[in-house]
Amino acid sequence: QSGLTQPPSVSAAPGQTVTISCSGSASDIANKYVSWYQQFPGTAPRLLIYDDEKRPSGSPDRFSGSKSGTSATLAITGLQTGDEADYFCKVGWVFGRGTKLTVL
Amino acid sequence: QVHLQGSGPGLVKPSGTLSLTCAVSGYSVSGPKWWGFVRQSPEKGLEWIGEIFHSGYTNYSPSFKSRVTLSLDKSKNEFSLKMTSVTAADTAFYYCTGTLDGEALGHWGQGTLVTVSS
Repeated sequence: QSGLTQPPSVSAAPGQTVTISCSGSASDIANKYVSWYQQFPGTAPRLLIYDDEKRPSGSPDRFSGSKSGTSATLAITGLQTGDEADYFCKVGWVFGRGTKLTVL
Repeated sequence: QVHLQGSGPGLVKPSGTLSLTCAVSGYSVSGPKWWGFVRQSPEKGLEWIGEIFHSGYTNYSPSFKSRVTLSLDKSKNEFSLKMTSVTAADTAFYYCTGTLDGEALGHWGQGTLVTVSS
């Protein structure tokens, strides 16, 4: 599998919407499910989105996932300061390098 | 509620073997989930190491396949990782994981910092 590309960082103000992209290739994103993880400093990652767009129990509905072709997107609406964290996408056995979200 | 508790030595000597165990509570390892390990370092980010099913069937990342073994102990409801010939590059936080659905990692242990150093 090839690598997954995420922006190193994104930022937005509280209440706004932010999107985080995860770009891959036809051999990965286009043909497999994408999952998204949230990680706060010093803690283990937590599953936010699986099967491209499903939310596990406990994952707020402010978080949503989508996919088109060889790219997937995590959207966070109604940003809160508590959303400041690192976000990772995963396809198959490959993780993206992560995106640091800053809430201004 | 599935809970994973990882344990193992925090310091391993170069060329030695890294051994970690993950105790599972709230769910039987004989159930239909894949159990595995992911590691994280500043240099390489999150790396999927491998997974094991209750049947004993395993999948390993090509990056680790030659020196990693996963095993399951149903009597203790736990699973384990052994990684041989470690180097300083294997210094990382090691997380044990369990799948929620398909390949999604819905369950994570707290993480164990393993340092490879003499």
